[in-house]
Amino acid sequence: KAGVTQTPRYLIKTRGQQVTLSCSPISGHRSVSWYQQTPGQGLQFLFEYFSETQRNKGNFPGRFSGRQFSNSRSEMNVSTLELGDSALYLCASSLGQGGTSPLHFGNGTRLTVT
Amino acid sequence: SQQGEEDPQALSIQEGENATMNCSYKTSINNLQWYRQNSGRGLVHLILIRSNEREKHSGRLRVTLDTSKKSSSLLITASRAADTASYFCATATETSGSRLTFGEGTQLTVNP
Repeated sequence: KAGVTQTPRYLIKTRGQQVTLSCSPISGHRSVSWYQQTPGQGLQFLFEYFSETQRNKGNFPGRFSGRQFSNSRSEMNVSTLELGDSALYLCASSLGQGGTSPLHFGNGTRLTVT
Repeated sequence: SQQGEEDPQALSIQEGENATMNCSYKTSINNLQWYRQNSGRGLVHLILIRSNEREKHSGRLRVTLDTSKKSSSLLITASRAADTASYFCATATETSGSRLTFGEGTQLTVNP
């Protein structure tokens, strides 16, 4: 079974631009979560989607948004990029909803904002 | 803010030795999970232990959970150079859904 796939692997953007990151979960997994990882803040939860519905949202500004499609694939978007948005963005899928099943992570998208 | 705190922040041992990492948390949990992350890669799930469990084993890994002390430990026995990675604990509560709260991680280096 293929693992979680995130594209692109690396991205360089300029302040003020917007970016869209993509995530394909493991086949059969309906829950997709997104996390931001930085050296200073560690791993922070962004949002969770289950069956195309946002089930949970972290403490991030409205510039961060996401969606999930009927095939469970998910995208996250960051608008008006700031230097502090530079991070590794990790997507994870799970078989069950809600923290009761292990998360399966992709290798992430490394976003650099200049 | 991070609920989990891990101790030590960094650990360096020789191949064949055991490595113990500790995690403390602040609120009641539904379960606690341990993950490994190799540099620049995604996290890999190691073990999930539920709040009503006290100990769990998986191969060379042993996890304990003490809910009265709000702490957990991960023991890796007979370590190998390939175990070099960062190790994170993460907690899930009854209401957090897939919103896991991760600790800051322990960087383990196993020297050949």
